[in-house]
Amino acid sequence: AQSVTQPDIHITVSEGASLELRCNYSYGATPYLFWYVQSPGQGLQLLLKYFSGDTLVQGIKGFEAEFKRSQSSFNLRKPSVHWSDAAEYFCAVTTGSSTLGRLYFGRGTQLTVWP
Amino acid sequence: GAVVSQHPSRVICKSGTSVKIECRSLDFQATTMFWYRQFPKKSLMLMATSNEGSKATYEQGVEKDKFLINHASLTLSTLTVTSAHPEDSSFYICSARGPSGGNYGYTFGSGTRLTVV
Repeated sequence: AQSVTQPDIHITVSEGASLELRCNYSYGATPYLFWYVQSPGQGLQLLLKYFSGDTLVQGIKGFEAEFKRSQSSFNLRKPSVHWSDAAEYFCAVTTGSSTLGRLYFGRGTQLTVWP
Repeated sequence: GAVVSQHPSRVICKSGTSVKIECRSLDFQATTMFWYRQFPKKSLMLMATSNEGSKATYEQGVEKDKFLINHASLTLSTLTVTSAHPEDSSFYICSARGPSGGNYGYTFGSGTRLTVV
């Protein structure tokens, strides 16, 4: 069965520090991978996605993620965190087909940024 | 870019009444709509998947008679919480998938905070 693991429930970093949010997936076929961000009381905004090709994916707001098939990972990174990055981050996976199936979400990682 | 408009953003209703939540895809045709429920500090729980013109497919444990989903057109899907009770209080989010899944991916509404008193 498909599953997504985000091992860190809560991460705290100082503004300007680097960030890495971990995501591991379990899926038999080629995965399509996503990172979303959610501010309190809001919907989800897509940061980036990986379907195929270059395993290092650039997203919005200075985020990037690297797909590592051997480690079944899709970790999200940002070299310098801003206070406005404080939010909930979700990793998600779906089937790698021409018609996307349902998304499977990780439990989320809450990011706190200290000034 | 693709936009999904979800309304209302907040609603308070009395126990026993029904509440309708709308999601509209503004600039693309949403062939499939996903409805999620999110509990505080929790991840999204898929409630049902609906394809335009077809009956919704509900996830195990979700009461289809309580959570009525209609997807009558390619730009509008609704979720009606019938005979709402306090335990139905939650954050509900819709997500639309366009016909070219690879290009559009998934677009999420801004969510509806339902409080049943």
